[in-house]
Amino acid sequence: DAKTTQPDSMESTEGETVHLPCSHATISGNEYIYWYRQVPLQGPEYVTHGLQQNTTNSMAFLAIASDRKSSTLILPHVSLRDAAVYHCILRGANYGNEKITFGAGTKLTIKP
Amino acid sequence: DPKIIQKPKYLVAVTGSEKILICEQYLGHNAMYWYRQSAKKPLEFMFSYSYQKLMDNQTASSRFQPQSSKKNHLDLQITALKPDDSATYFCASSHRDRGYEQYFGPGTRLTVL
Repeated sequence: DAKTTQPDSMESTEGETVHLPCSHATISGNEYIYWYRQVPLQGPEYVTHGLQQNTTNSMAFLAIASDRKSSTLILPHVSLRDAAVYHCILRGANYGNEKITFGAGTKLTIKP
Repeated sequence: DPKIIQKPKYLVAVTGSEKILICEQYLGHNAMYWYRQSAKKPLEFMFSYSYQKLMDNQTASSRFQPQSSKKNHLDLQITALKPDDSATYFCASSHRDRGYEQYFGPGTRLTVL
């Protein structure tokens, strides 16, 4: 699976909009970009995913660069509950391989 | 109501003993998984099951044995426990054709003394 690169940590303030970057320069044409987040002492939570077009749901907006070599997870009006480690993951090209490989992710800290 | 139940929440065991971690999902999913997370480390994939059949096993040790008695159950039996087995074990589930949209349980925190 292609590799992703994320900053180790980011910090924001309640009410702000947060942009979490992810670089995936070697992404394959059929690889999807998935985002999960994990709050300490809890299991990971699926956030969103996309292939080429930007996507939006109740949790976040996923902006995907036109060359697909990078993406940004946008969290509008963050609250303290959004503090978590955010993982950018590429789905393996082999359909049926549902093993998710989590890396270190970006630790997002939210200040009151 | 919790959609994925893991029991127990906390578990303390002695070295050499055997324990079973319980996982039940009520999401109507047909694929289930086990992951492990040791202190301050990323989650590590262990097993995946689809329609109660083993699909992928990334666990090197045969001491870890998943057991699927019902389609919405995937328990994890661990034998000959070692202190290195201390970790939080997460169960997850998904639809078989949307395997990367996995929903995780609250975890079982295992401590082996």
